[in-house]
Amino acid sequence: DAGVIQSPRHEVTEMGQEVTLRCKPISGHDYLFWYRQTMMRGLELLIYFNNNVPIDDSGMPEDRFSAKMPNASFSTLKIQPSEPRDSAVYFCASRYGLANTDTQYFGPGTRLTVL
Amino acid sequence: GIQVEQSPPDLILQEGANSTLRCNFSDSVNNLQWFHQNPWGQLINLFYIPSGTKQNGRLSATTVATERYSLLYISSSQTTDSGVYFCAVTPWGDNFNKFYFGSGTKLNVKP
Repeated sequence: DAGVIQSPRHEVTEMGQEVTLRCKPISGHDYLFWYRQTMMRGLELLIYFNNNVPIDDSGMPEDRFSAKMPNASFSTLKIQPSEPRDSAVYFCASRYGLANTDTQYFGPGTRLTVL
Repeated sequence: GIQVEQSPPDLILQEGANSTLRCNFSDSVNNLQWFHQNPWGQLINLFYIPSGTKQNGRLSATTVATERYSLLYISSSQTTDSGVYFCAVTPWGDNFNKFYFGSGTKLNVKP
């Protein structure tokens, strides 16, 4: 398996533009997580899905952020409009199973820079 | 909300040395995990350890839930152990996938 795939790996955009980050989880995994990492706030869980359904989005910072999972092999995180404070590395992770013991597998991240 | 504090913030070791990283948390938890982020940014899930002790090769972890801390031991460190180690917890009663991360311990293992 190729692991969790994220695209693009780097994104530079201007304030006010729409940004879409993409994630393909490992085949067969039923949980998908979106995280954000910044110097100021560290690692934060934004939202997670189980069987394509959003379970907890309490970490989504504001209405400018939205996430979808239209099918088991694809998820998007959209920021509209983007702001400089959204600059961060965004990670997607997936895992299989109900048990907390099951390992999360992370993608390589998307480094977003909003000018 | 729950506070997660990791110490030390930075650690420099000579290859072959042992080390202990600590994670303190302010409330009871039902989930505690350790993660490693290598110097290239890749995150790896190391341990799920809300209580007790686990070992995986040169790494082991112990969580004393009643005293609200967890320790990660690295023995015979190697340069490939360099990176940042994060502890993440879920408060008791909260959704057990809802992690709160500590700020990490940055480890540099010198050859």
